[in-house]
Amino acid sequence: QKEVEQNSGPLSVPEGAIASLNCTYSDRGSQSFFWYRQYSGKSPELIMFIYSNGDKEDGRFTAQLNKASQYVSLLIRDSQPSDSATYLCAVNTQGGSEKLVFGKGTKLTVNP
Amino acid sequence: GAVVSQHPSRVICKSGTSVKIECRSLDFQATTMFWYRQFPKQSLMLMATSNEGSKATYEQGVEKDKFLINHASLTLSTLTVTSAHPEDSSFYICSASKGGGVSYEQYFGPGTRLTVT
Repeated sequence: QKEVEQNSGPLSVPEGAIASLNCTYSDRGSQSFFWYRQYSGKSPELIMFIYSNGDKEDGRFTAQLNKASQYVSLLIRDSQPSDSATYLCAVNTQGGSEKLVFGKGTKLTVNP
Repeated sequence: GAVVSQHPSRVICKSGTSVKIECRSLDFQATTMFWYRQFPKQSLMLMATSNEGSKATYEQGVEKDKFLINHASLTLSTLTVTSAHPEDSSFYICSASKGGGVSYEQYFGPGTRLTVT
């Protein structure tokens, strides 16, 4: 069974700090990896996707992918209270399917 | 952009009635649309995958006769909850994929909160 694992948290960081969110996946053939943010009572919003090993930066967000370790992370620099949300890791597995397998999410709280 | 709309945003219905939820991709053609359900404090659960012009593929444990999906065009998919019961009360979210390339990212609609009384 293809699985995506995340620490459920809650993860609490002070405002201005770096928040580090981690995700591991079981299917070694996985091709692309996504981070979504979900505010309470709202639907998920795509933050970033990555499909090559290494780092990908977009503003205050950096996604890191290590396929050998089957590990993907999201760093949020200069965390703001508005970043407080649940962050979902999603993985597109091999086989050409467009389905994503989602982790259960990590709840992040940024304290002012 | 990649904007997905859903209608209605909130619906209350009586037990035994049917409810239709629409999902539209507003600025792109969606090769595939997905329907998810999310109960409070739980993760997204994929219900079905829908391709334009073909039958939806349902996930294990999801009753296809209860959750009817129609994907009439590359910009519209509908989910009909038939003979709704209180246990069907949930947050229903659709997503759409542009398809192609290597990324397969999905863009989510704002969701529909269904309450069955």
